[in-house]
Amino acid sequence: GEDVEQSLFLSVREGDSSVINCTYTDSSSTYLYWYKQEPGAGLQLLTYIFSNMDMKQDQRLTVLLNKKDKHLSLRIADTQTGDSAIYFCAESRPGANNLFFGTGTRLTVIP
Amino acid sequence: SAVISQKPSRDICQRGTSLTIQCQVDSQVTMMFWYRQQPGQSLTLIATANQGSEATYESGFVIDKFPISRPNLTFSTLTVSNMSPEDSSIYLCSVDPPYGRGEQFFGPGTRLTVL
Repeated sequence: GEDVEQSLFLSVREGDSSVINCTYTDSSSTYLYWYKQEPGAGLQLLTYIFSNMDMKQDQRLTVLLNKKDKHLSLRIADTQTGDSAIYFCAESRPGANNLFFGTGTRLTVIP
Repeated sequence: SAVISQKPSRDICQRGTSLTIQCQVDSQVTMMFWYRQQPGQSLTLIATANQGSEATYESGFVIDKFPISRPNLTFSTLTVSNMSPEDSSIYLCSVDPPYGRGEQFFGPGTRLTVL
């Protein structure tokens, strides 16, 4: 299909780990991204992974990439209330300069 | 990273009027993009704005409705013309930095409400 898919909602308790999943469409995508959007704000680039990698870690964030299944995940360790936001995955596709976004996952962190 | 500003940050407009949104980048970039985010939705690309040439519009978006200017490598405008309530959205500009690591950076967005 054409769509980048994500679950719409995720709730976790403060201090737990959050895992946000994404299924993308193009097996030849070069980069895959995670963006964070807080209420009333624009998009903040959190991290990205090149398609020849299967894992990238950056402080509390871990990105896992399964190219065979076209599955991307973002794990947030020790989730804080400030992590409450909408998280978008996005892919770059060959021949296109823009990014293609998922539907977004609204993460709610319960104190 | 690139620092991007947009003006206005938000506006409330009457049906039938037009609004021009400005996007300013702190460095020269080749490609600038305009996205729309309708309430509760993901981002949809409106058009790609390249300096020195006409913008390239995506399916479903036309120049008469969303004229774009790109007078130099650090600035672009998007006009939403003859607005209707269906145009109520967040409009975001984005840039693809020239160093080619694939990131795209976004402005803070313009929240438009059409009455």
